[in-house]
Amino acid sequence: GQQVMQIPQYQHVQEGEDFTTYCNSSTTLSNIQWYKQRPGGHPVFLIQLVKSGEVKKQKRLTFQFGEAKKNSSLHITATQTTDVGTYFCASRPSNAGGTSYGKLTFGQGTILTVHP
Amino acid sequence: NAGVMQNPRHLVRRRGQEARLRCSPMKGHSHVYWYRQLPEEGLKFMVYLQKENIIDESGMPKERFSAEFPKEGPSILRIQQVVRGDSAAYFCASSARGGGDTGELFFGEGSRLTVL
Repeated sequence: GQQVMQIPQYQHVQEGEDFTTYCNSSTTLSNIQWYKQRPGGHPVFLIQLVKSGEVKKQKRLTFQFGEAKKNSSLHITATQTTDVGTYFCASRPSNAGGTSYGKLTFGQGTILTVHP
Repeated sequence: NAGVMQNPRHLVRRRGQEARLRCSPMKGHSHVYWYRQLPEEGLKFMVYLQKENIIDESGMPKERFSAEFPKEGPSILRIQQVVRGDSAAYFCASSARGGGDTGELFFGEGSRLTVL
């Protein structure tokens, strides 16, 4: 089945430092989604990337989708304590038409801790 | 505007008992997904359902686990004869569509099962 590998598993940073998590797939993805889960909370949708080479920004967060649509990254500039949590990438398989469908498979997640 | 509602939030069972977890999707959503999460681990897909149909149950253990999403009422994840290894957080998510450009998932707050 389709799998996305996510690294690193853990990341500890000092407040103000940058943070990046990476998602890699052996197969071409039709699109990729990113979620954040706060400690003790539930996953919350952040963004979806669809186009090859796409870059989207949300304040201090920058999301990229690789040119080959096999990898993606989430970068946080100048982390704050409110950024603490686990960041997941997720994708669906592609059908013959190239659109995504069906179950959403999550990467293992990157647990971010921010020291004040 | 109620989101995805899960109950119970916490459930304690003794080994051999049954656990029933309920999920009411967001209004207008007909796609429901169940995921399981162990502490500091990722979200493991279990089952994907639409009204009255199981679309993908590739993540469900072959025994003791079942899921349904009846025409009326919530989706139910049922675990029979629970064992300690079933202790986990079970998240339900819903979406308006099963994929494509607007296939983001909206998660409930989870049901945390503890098996004594």
